Amino acid sequence: QVQLQESGPGLVTPSETLSLTCTVSGDSISPYYWSWIRQSPGKGLEWIGYIYYSGSTNYNPSLKSRVTMSVDTSKNQFSLNLSSVTAADTAVYYCARSPGWFDPWGRGTLVTVSS
Amino acid sequence: EIVLTQSPATLSLSPGERATLSCRASQSISSYLAWYQQKPGQAPRLLIYDASNRATGIPARFSGSGSGTDFTLTISSLEPEDFAVYYCQQRSNWPRTFGQGTKVEMK
Repeated sequence: QVQLQESGPGLVTPSETLSLTCTVSGDSISPYYWSWIRQSPGKGLEWIGYIYYSGSTNYNPSLKSRVTMSVDTSKNQFSLNLSSVTAADTAVYYCARSPGWFDPWGRGTLVTVSS
Repeated sequence: EIVLTQSPATLSLSPGERATLSCRASQSISSYLAWYQQKPGQAPRLLIYDASNRATGIPARFSGSGSGTDFTLTISSLEPEDFAVYYCQQRSNWPRTFGQGTKVEMK
């Protein structure tokens, strides 16, 4: 069965770029869509965007100016970059298969934005 | 964007009781609604998709209904492992959005 695992720094400095990678195992990253979702106490669950295995993307307008996603099919991975982070970006970040329903999800990784 | 409003915020029930959770959309989303269960320290798990279809491996005590703007998740007889937070999510429009959650707690 397909499994997802997020990885990346747990602490990011304000104004810097948050970078996370999701590694997919148990199935090919093709031909699916893959999303990033975050969860914070203040804003609940928030869909960040998706990337198709071909590289096409769709981002949440609320974050679009700061988000970049990429995919590496040779490594069965996809990635998230969120620039100019502030404390409001502190959250648990999940990757999930999408684009309609989110299933399955990774276990999530807590990213704290602090100096 | 479509706003999903869940009610109640908290539901206090005993094992064996029936749980009824509501999700209301700010505009019609046809049947494009999913329900997720989240336990502490875990990721959400898909329970129901397209309003009434159980995801793989989900017990029959979970059922979903509704269309348009009003949706319901019913747990027919609560098991101890069902005490958790439940979220609804729509896939009718971009961006995808979630409700704020209903916590089902043990009375």
